[in-house]
Amino acid sequence: EAGVAQSPRYKIIEKRQSVAFWCNPISGHATLYWYQQILGQGPKLLIQFQNNGVVDDSQLPKDRFSAERLKGVDSTLKIQPAKLEDSAVYLCASSRNGAPSNSPLHFGNGTRLTVT
Amino acid sequence: RKEVEQDPGPFNVPEGATVAFNCTYSNSASQSFFWYRQDCRKEPKLLMSVYSSGNEDGRFTAQLNRASQYISLLIRDSKLSDSATYLCVVNGETPNFGNEKLTFGTGTRLTIIP
Repeated sequence: EAGVAQSPRYKIIEKRQSVAFWCNPISGHATLYWYQQILGQGPKLLIQFQNNGVVDDSQLPKDRFSAERLKGVDSTLKIQPAKLEDSAVYLCASSRNGAPSNSPLHFGNGTRLTVT
Repeated sequence: RKEVEQDPGPFNVPEGATVAFNCTYSNSASQSFFWYRQDCRKEPKLLMSVYSSGNEDGRFTAQLNRASQYISLLIRDSKLSDSATYLCVVNGETPNFGNEKLTFGTGTRLTIIP
């Protein structure tokens, strides 16, 4: 089966600019996650979708980050305006349902963002 | 206290040796536990789930101690290809039934030395 697709792979922007990342999950996977992984740390959940509804966005900095999954398939994550501390790898993951105990997460390759 | 804590390492271990990592978690209500493996500049991949009775997959053994709230990963006869970061993952709050929030530890970096 095709994996989780993400683009772009790399992005370099200046602070205060905007950036958007795209993710296409594995076909048939209802749950989609966006994680932020800062160098030397584990992935931190930003937002979780179940189909096109938001399940958890408690750690999403909503003043600058937004995400949507309008048709319940692919998703975009936007940062506007970016700050230096947003430099990280943004990982998209999907699972068949929202219960990882029986439906493991599959991660995409990630987008490495550098804010200068 | 962090939700999930791991020793970040690095652990530098000679090939063929046995190495063990521990991970502690703070939420006593957690039900699901996993070890993920992340190679340098790659995405995390599920290594194994951790069951209450403990489980083994080849050279890898995972254990859960609910009383002390920790999980462990043991790697026997380590190979060069085992060099990676090992992430401890625990399900935390369940905001909605059937939807689990996974919390990742910072990871333990392992390097196998020839």
